[in-house]
Amino acid sequence: AQTVTQSQPEMSVQEAETVTLSCTYDTSESNYYLFWYKQPPSRQMILVIRQEAYKQQNATENRFSVNFQKAAKSFSLKISDSQLGDTAMYFCAFMKRGGADGLTFGKGTHLIIQP
Amino acid sequence: EPEVTQTPSHQVTQMGQEVILRCVPISNHLYFYWYRQILGQKVEFLVSFYNNEISEKSEIFDDQFSVERPDGSNFTLKIRSTKLEDSAMYFCASSLGGWRGADEQFFGPGTRLTVL
Repeated sequence: AQTVTQSQPEMSVQEAETVTLSCTYDTSESNYYLFWYKQPPSRQMILVIRQEAYKQQNATENRFSVNFQKAAKSFSLKISDSQLGDTAMYFCAFMKRGGADGLTFGKGTHLIIQP
Repeated sequence: EPEVTQTPSHQVTQMGQEVILRCVPISNHLYFYWYRQILGQKVEFLVSFYNNEISEKSEIFDDQFSVERPDGSNFTLKIRSTKLEDSAMYFCASSLGGWRGADEQFFGPGTRLTVL
């Protein structure tokens, strides 16, 4: 079984700053995917970014990028030029390739962007 | 933009009662999931469903739980005899492709179940 750990329950930064959310995971699988999901207050969880474990290149989506360190089993999310709308719960998640057993989530980090 | 919807948003029930949580996945999606989140804990996988049958279920998903896609649009989770520990937020999710490519899962807003 795999586990996902997010060690920062809450973070607060000023608007326009860069912030990095940490995530580590443990697995014996070799083929898997990693995700960051965002859940704004009272809204649905939405996918922010995903990374295939077999790809060495870090995924980027506009202001969002990841630092994927496969050997260290680390998958951090960097948000550049943070905006008030980035305030949300952020969940790191793992899914093994070909496995129908859904996503394994971390506990989440509550990110607050201050004006 | 299409969204996954869930009803009701909040359900209160007495211990031992049956509850049915309803979800309408995105219309062309083929893979469906239920997750739950007990207050203060992680979101946990319950079950995945494809081609009208369960593909995988977690150890949480015991005989008290069942899922159904009764009419091609709804996807339901039934808890036959609720326990206090079933109190949680229940999330439905759907994806177009499946787990082979770890296709993006779209989540509903959740149903908060309170068992008294």
